[in-house]
Amino acid sequence: AQTVTQSQPEMSVQEAETVTLSCTYDTSESDYYLFWYKQPPSRQMILVIRQEAYKQQNATENRFSVNFQKAAKSFSLKISDSQLGDAAMYFCAYRSGDNNDMRFGAGTRLTVKP
Amino acid sequence: DTGVSQNPRHKITKRGQNVTFRCDPISEHNRLYWYRQTLGQGPEFLTYFQNEAQLEKSRLLSDRFSAERPKGSFSTLEIQRTEQGDSAMYLCASSLARYRGGEQYFGPGTRLTVT
Repeated sequence: AQTVTQSQPEMSVQEAETVTLSCTYDTSESDYYLFWYKQPPSRQMILVIRQEAYKQQNATENRFSVNFQKAAKSFSLKISDSQLGDAAMYFCAYRSGDNNDMRFGAGTRLTVKP
Repeated sequence: DTGVSQNPRHKITKRGQNVTFRCDPISEHNRLYWYRQTLGQGPEFLTYFQNEAQLEKSRLLSDRFSAERPKGSFSTLEIQRTEQGDSAMYLCASSLARYRGGEQYFGPGTRLTVT
């Protein structure tokens, strides 16, 4: 079964600095998708960034980028120029190409210090 | 596009009672998902619909849980004979089947407390 591990329960970053959130996953499949979702306090979860496993190029969305290491099964999220609004729970998620259930990690709570 | 909505947002019930939650997906989305999220954990998949057909069910979905999507639009999740272990946030998400790696859009969730 596919598992997703986020080894950092909490992280903090100074406003305007860069922070990296870690995620590893376990799978024997070659066709899959990886996601980072953000869940602000008492608000709904929104997609931050998505990576297709078949793409070698790391995905980037404005201040958010990933470091996708397929052989190492690692999928970290880098947030540059951190803003107060980035404070939230961040969940790494895996989805098989053929299935529809998404497997989530336990999350990392990010605090941004002014 | 008003996003995914869920009602009620909060539900407090006594152990043994039945509860029903509703999810209204984004209107053109044909896929609908239910997840359960307990405190300090990531969401766990419960079940998924494509149109009105329930295509996948997690082993987490015990016999006390039933989900429907009668006309391929809104969905309901019912929990019978609630137990304290059912206390959690129940999340609904929807997506378009067109894209295999498509984004799932999440609703705000229904927080269930069983006393």
